[in-house]
Amino acid sequence: NAGVTQTPKFRVLKTGQSMTLLCAQDMNHEYMYWYRQDPGMGLRLIHYSVGEGTTAKGEVPDGYNVSRLKKQNFLLGLESAAPSQTSVYFCASSDDGDPIKLYGYTFGSGTRLTVV
Amino acid sequence: GNSVTQMEGPVTLSEEAFLTINCTYTATGYPSLFWYVQYPGEGLQLLLKATKADDKGSNKGFEATYRKETTSFHLEKGSVQVSDSAVYFCALSEGYGNNRLAFGKGNQVVVIP
Repeated sequence: NAGVTQTPKFRVLKTGQSMTLLCAQDMNHEYMYWYRQDPGMGLRLIHYSVGEGTTAKGEVPDGYNVSRLKKQNFLLGLESAAPSQTSVYFCASSDDGDPIKLYGYTFGSGTRLTVV
Repeated sequence: GNSVTQMEGPVTLSEEAFLTINCTYTATGYPSLFWYVQYPGEGLQLLLKATKADDKGSNKGFEATYRKETTSFHLEKGSVQVSDSAVYFCALSEGYGNNRLAFGKGNQVVVIP
């Protein structure tokens, strides 16, 4: 099925370890986003990309890096994991221009990360 | 900047009851407004949308009207079912250029049989 696929679905890290979360979309969307979801905080934007080879910071970028080397993939990296990065991470994609008004975002099913 | 405010706290109600979740926004220009739903263990799904003032979005028995004069987009459903138990997020589009969405904090809805 077309959509946004996130891997892995679950992960436990030790403090100081690094990892990369992968997001892949097959809808040829230009824009991709990484959010984190924490209880009582809603969704907060970490980083986003408006096209292949571009990235930009969102609300809470510290401790994360991203890359968009291919249009269909958006990678989120944790350089040195901290317990404060325990969260559920969601990737989303959207087309540009008017379609955002019609279709909003397409979300992945999330990655649950625990840092101990 | 643009922001969305949702009513505090979870909502618990009985099956067939009337549901209202309040959403107000602050924005420059003319944003588009959305409601997303998140079922347990899943990602967010678009529930309904409205792109200009006085538009009414509707889907699965849910409705919301874009009220520019009160800067609101309240979600309503006349008769909820247990299957409507989920977290509901209000969001607005910040416009062209990056298509960023600003989300409210979400409301947990629990429907009791």
